[in-house]
Amino acid sequence: DAKTTQPPSMDCAEGRAANLPCNHSTISGNEYVYWYRQIHSQGPQYIIHGLKNNETNEMASLIITEDRKSSTLILPHATLRDTAVYYCIVRVAFAQGGSEKLVFGKGMKLTVNP
Amino acid sequence: DSGVTQTPKHLITATGQRVTLRCSPRSGDLSVYWYQQSLDQGLQFLIQYYNGEERAKGNILERFSAQQFPDLHSELNLSSLELGDSALYFCASSVSVQDSNYGYTFGSGTRLTVV
Repeated sequence: DAKTTQPPSMDCAEGRAANLPCNHSTISGNEYVYWYRQIHSQGPQYIIHGLKNNETNEMASLIITEDRKSSTLILPHATLRDTAVYYCIVRVAFAQGGSEKLVFGKGMKLTVNP
Repeated sequence: DSGVTQTPKHLITATGQRVTLRCSPRSGDLSVYWYQQSLDQGLQFLIQYYNGEERAKGNILERFSAQQFPDLHSELNLSSLELGDSALYFCASSVSVQDSNYGYTFGSGTRLTVV
């Protein structure tokens, strides 16, 4: 899996958009960008993933640069419950029976302040 | 509720003992992954099973073993426990027969404390 670089921490005001950056300059053409988060000691939670195009779901938006060397996860209206460690991971697509494990780095601690 | 069930939620045991952690994957998911999370190590991949067969191995100690049963539930066995084995142990499952490509679904974990 390609390595990703995230800042160790970030603060955001409640109600504002949180823009979480991730650099993945060595990403391969068949590798997706996945975002997970871990709230306190709960199990990590899938947020969103994308290959080339920008993606949006009910939780967040994912903006991937045209050269795919970096991406930004956007939480449009951050709440206190969004305080968590966010992991940016690049890897090949999951395939039934595949052995490609998900490798978590240190992630980035997002603190949403009231 | 993520659909991945882990039991027990908490476990306290003494050094030298053996414990078994159980995981039931989300309905339809054939792969089960085990991760260990200790305070200073982050999330470490231990082992993966797919449809009953071991598929990938990570930094799993020889004192640890796992298996996946025909009903697809999995058990992680930890033996000769040491204080350093105290950690959160997460199970995740992935890839339904519909091949959703949505990655892993994690359980809520088992907190193991070795005293």
